Amino acid sequence: GAVVSQHPSWVICKSGTSVKIECRSLDFQATTMFWYRQFPKQSLMLMATSNEGSKATYEQGVEKDKFLINHASLTLSTLTVTSAHPEDSSFYICSASGAGVRENTEAFFGQGTRLTVV
Amino acid sequence: DAKTTQPPSMDCAEGRAANLPCNHSTISGNEYVYWYRQIHSQGPQYIIHGLKNNETNEMASLIITEDRKSSTLILPHATLRDTAVYYCIVRGRGQGAQKLVFGQGTRLTINP
Repeated sequence: GAVVSQHPSWVICKSGTSVKIECRSLDFQATTMFWYRQFPKQSLMLMATSNEGSKATYEQGVEKDKFLINHASLTLSTLTVTSAHPEDSSFYICSASGAGVRENTEAFFGQGTRLTVV
Repeated sequence: DAKTTQPPSMDCAEGRAANLPCNHSTISGNEYVYWYRQIHSQGPQYIIHGLKNNETNEMASLIITEDRKSSTLILPHATLRDTAVYYCIVRGRGQGAQKLVFGQGTRLTINP
């Protein structure tokens, strides 16, 4: 299957700082990327959908000014958590779909990024 | 909101078949049934998907009822490495309907 890589795998940052998480599709063009957040013992919650070259669409309740998403190329999307607070500590996961990936086949997921805000 | 209902947890003995049920009574005609699993602290892994016919691949089999209101994922010979949370998801076609909305899933524990 196609490969999606997230970086970093984990990060610890101080409260009030910003953190950028990268999501790359390594062997296909990701026209659409999805960002999820997962708290301990809970399911994945979709945060936003980004299409290459256009603004991301955020799910209800997700602050677009706090979680900045950029999808400037067909192989890279970034999520920036701005002014991070301890309650933003979570497991962030990206998923990608697009050209070269058959429609209605699986979306491919990154390995996730564990963010800890101290 | 997720459109599926799954039991929160199941246990299965190693080497036996694990049968994971999923109810999706409101599924529409153009929606597929997808199964993913998530091993602790990893990203979800695709298992299988289907529309109305039963499907089989190297990982599992998917049995969809004739009315499409429910399905069963079958792991034919479960191993300890199959311990994970299994998610059943319905997903539509087309550019605007590709997002996967996860429910609570079933936590499957394979016991030695």
